[in-house]
Amino acid sequence: AQKITQTQPGMFVQEKEAVTLDCTYDTSDPSYGLFWYKQPSSGEMIFLIYQGSYDQQNATEGRYSLNFQKARKSANLVISASQLGDSAMYFCAMRETATGANNLFFGTGTRLTVIP
Amino acid sequence: GAGVSQSPSNKVTEKGKDVELRCDPISGHTALYWYRQRLGQGLEFLIYFQGNSAPDKSGLPSDRFSAERTGESVSTLTIQRTQQEDSAVYLCASGTSGIYNEQFFGPGTRLTVL
Repeated sequence: AQKITQTQPGMFVQEKEAVTLDCTYDTSDPSYGLFWYKQPSSGEMIFLIYQGSYDQQNATEGRYSLNFQKARKSANLVISASQLGDSAMYFCAMRETATGANNLFFGTGTRLTVIP
Repeated sequence: GAGVSQSPSNKVTEKGKDVELRCDPISGHTALYWYRQRLGQGLEFLIYFQGNSAPDKSGLPSDRFSAERTGESVSTLTIQRTQQEDSAVYLCASGTSGIYNEQFFGPGTRLTVL
């Protein structure tokens, strides 16, 4: 089974509008971390935001917020006031703790296009 | 520079040749990861180094793939007898120890096997 599922291959959003990128995850580990990365066309992976499984509040970083619904195992990324520079691939990732795995499990990504 | 660097940025090779990819992590980062990203796909974990501990090689797809790291310094990923399916971007990341700490990625090496 996929550990991270991103069901939206592509999304479009009007500049200055908000957009939600979906991410669901699968783990039996009670302790895990969820990450979102942005990958522009230049190829580098840019860390955006992190949510720990025990965090009580949804993470926020500037225009990025994470809508964490633990019972549903979803960790959607919300980008507010979209900008043209937000056009990129966005990857959701998870790291588990109890299994001892140190790597990140990535989803297949969502390509976001911001329309002027 | 303060970030993770990788070389070469692009590598074109013929099927059957060996290639070596290099990663310079951020100074002081004890953890180093290699990932592979095929065209249009997410990242696949290959191998993880943490300090002087034995590496986690669980993601290596075949015995043609190997990696080395000396201490907390440079790492090299070697692919022997390359195949066309090895064509991908190979990304290196480094970080501090701790399961919740983010990984800082390098720009990647784009490998094309003809």
